[in-house]
Amino acid sequence: DAMVIQNPRYQVTQFGKPVTLSCSQTLNHNVMYWYQQKSSQAPKLLFHYYDKDFNNEADTPDNFQSRRPNTSFCFLDIRSPGLGDAAMYLCATSRASAYNEQFFGPGTRLTVL
Amino acid sequence: SQKIEQNSEALNIQEGKTATLTCNYTNYSPAYLQWYRQDPGRGPVFLLLIRENEKEKRKERLKVTFDTTLKQSLFHITASQPADSATYLCVTSSGGYQKVTFGTGTKLQVIP
Repeated sequence: DAMVIQNPRYQVTQFGKPVTLSCSQTLNHNVMYWYQQKSSQAPKLLFHYYDKDFNNEADTPDNFQSRRPNTSFCFLDIRSPGLGDAAMYLCATSRASAYNEQFFGPGTRLTVL
Repeated sequence: SQKIEQNSEALNIQEGKTATLTCNYTNYSPAYLQWYRQDPGRGPVFLLLIRENEKEKRKERLKVTFDTTLKQSLFHITASQPADSATYLCVTSSGGYQKVTFGTGTKLQVIP
């Protein structure tokens, strides 16, 4: 089945220790997104790619970076995680059309000690 | 920027009844609106999309309405089942794939 896969599902890191979360898709969608979601809050868009074009949200901290080496894979790098970065990180994909739904992965739960 | 208001309090209903969830937006009229289901610890799952020129959309036991005058969408689940218990997110878009805004969701609990 076509899907969005995120690894790992659970990630524990130490304060200030860089961490990378990965996302892959078999849907062949042009657009990939990274969201941060904290408990009882709406998913917050961090950035998205249209193909290789990177689009950063204005309020995304510089601590968050992303790479998309090819259509299938996208990575979220947190350079120096703080306690406030503990959250669920969601990857999603969509077609680049006028009306389209987003397909989400299962998420990676990040814990910062 | 767009602001979406969903009832933050959980909605508890009896199995078999119709659940109605409300989504109100405050600024521009979105080109389309979507509803997603999210289970604890999981990513959201797309349910329905309704365009600004559509009044109503149905899919099996689900129905969505879109009232641009009231700036409101209603999401109905008929003949609700305990398996419908989840958080339901309302999402608006001004068009295309970039500008989507998520609501915080309403938690639905269907009691057997």
